[in-house]
Amino acid sequence: GENVEQHPSTLSVQEGDSAVIKCTYSDSASNYFPWYKQELGKRPQLIIDIRSNVGEKKDQRIAVTLNKTAKHFSLHITETQPEDSAVYFCAATYSGGGADGLTFGKGTHLIIQP
Amino acid sequence: DVKVTQSSRYLVKRTGEKVFLECVQDMDHENMFWYRQDPGLGLRLIYFSYDVKMKEKGDIPEGYSVSREKKERFSLILESASTNQTSMYLCASSLADTGQPQHFGDGTRLSIL
Repeated sequence: GENVEQHPSTLSVQEGDSAVIKCTYSDSASNYFPWYKQELGKRPQLIIDIRSNVGEKKDQRIAVTLNKTAKHFSLHITETQPEDSAVYFCAATYSGGGADGLTFGKGTHLIIQP
Repeated sequence: DVKVTQSSRYLVKRTGEKVFLECVQDMDHENMFWYRQDPGLGLRLIYFSYDVKMKEKGDIPEGYSVSREKKERFSLILESASTNQTSMYLCASSLADTGQPQHFGDGTRLSIL
């Protein structure tokens, strides 16, 4: 089955700086890669996703890049703000139109220092 | 907005009890999922369903079963609860099309004493 590795487990950055979280996956058939943000005590919320036919996707301060050859994808957050503090999870799955259970990384605790 | 509702936020049960966790979604999604979340382990897939009465095992199905009698409702069953099943349980749903995002409920924090 799929295996997703996520690094780092904790990331502390100064407010206004950029943050990068990296994930690798093992199954070359995986074609859908979402990122979730989970604030303390709340549900995971999708913040951005990318499909394998796209190399990069951007949404305001958030971007995701995908390297299919190397089987890794990354989340980039620019101009970080205090409200970006949360745990971020990457995930991967093969999405063929049926039910696609996600395989998650173990999470990155992002801390924005004022 | 998608609404995924889990019946309990907190639940305390005893070892050996049969435990039911309920999840309801209001967006006519075909797919529904159960995950458990443990510190340092992320979210792990227990079971999922792509249609009424259909179910598939995820990565950690042992000790669990599921029921999907209606499209909007997906139940997770712990046949005989054990202490190692103490965890946060998250339900999610999605459309059946390729690459559709999963929407999560608020979770049920289950403690088995």
